[in-house]
Amino acid sequence: SQQGEEDPQALSIQEGENATMNCSYKTSINNLQWYRQNSGRGLVHLILIRSNEREKHSGRLRVTLDTSKKSSSLLITASRAADTASYFCATDGGTGNQFYFGTGTSLTVIP
Amino acid sequence: GAGVSQSPSNKVTEKGKDVELRCDPISGHTALYWYRQSLGQGLEFLIYFQGNSAPDKSGLPSDRFSAERTGGSVSTLTIQRTQQEDSAVYLCASSPWTSNTGELFFGEGSRLTVL
Repeated sequence: SQQGEEDPQALSIQEGENATMNCSYKTSINNLQWYRQNSGRGLVHLILIRSNEREKHSGRLRVTLDTSKKSSSLLITASRAADTASYFCATDGGTGNQFYFGTGTSLTVIP
Repeated sequence: GAGVSQSPSNKVTEKGKDVELRCDPISGHTALYWYRQSLGQGLEFLIYFQGNSAPDKSGLPSDRFSAERTGGSVSTLTIQRTQQEDSAVYLCASSPWTSNTGELFFGEGSRLTVL
């Protein structure tokens, strides 16, 4: 399988704390993306990082990429209850147009 | 519409029946994807359409599954002789697929329950 795997599978934190999720993948990539899924809804794109980038920021999100280790991390700073959702990484398997999703991290932010 | 539209949102069917799930992508998006998400699981790739090219069907789990995309727009995923293990949420996504962007826009999904 070319799917990535997120770690941890579930994470529970207090509002205001930072949340870190990790993603490992198996193949070479052109880019890696992170998505968010609220319960019972579709996925929403958060951020894309290209294979030649090591770090990217978007608002309270910080993504890192280590292609030598085939891993990425998503950091959400100053978490809010509204950040409660599942978070998935997706890689393109080097094709640029086919996307493989990980198993997701379920984040619960306690008010 | 403004986003990807899927119908029906919920479908309950009996084992052995055929079902059709529909996806209306964002206008102008050339790429269209179908994924399956079982309860509490990640997304399983099913099929990918890009413009007029032959679809990538490598993710279809069996020959009971098929999909078509008419006129480069609307897509229909058909499951024949449904089985209980087909119960899942079927997600459709589209993408403008300009070079090196790759962002997918997802619909809300069609929840299929096979009794």
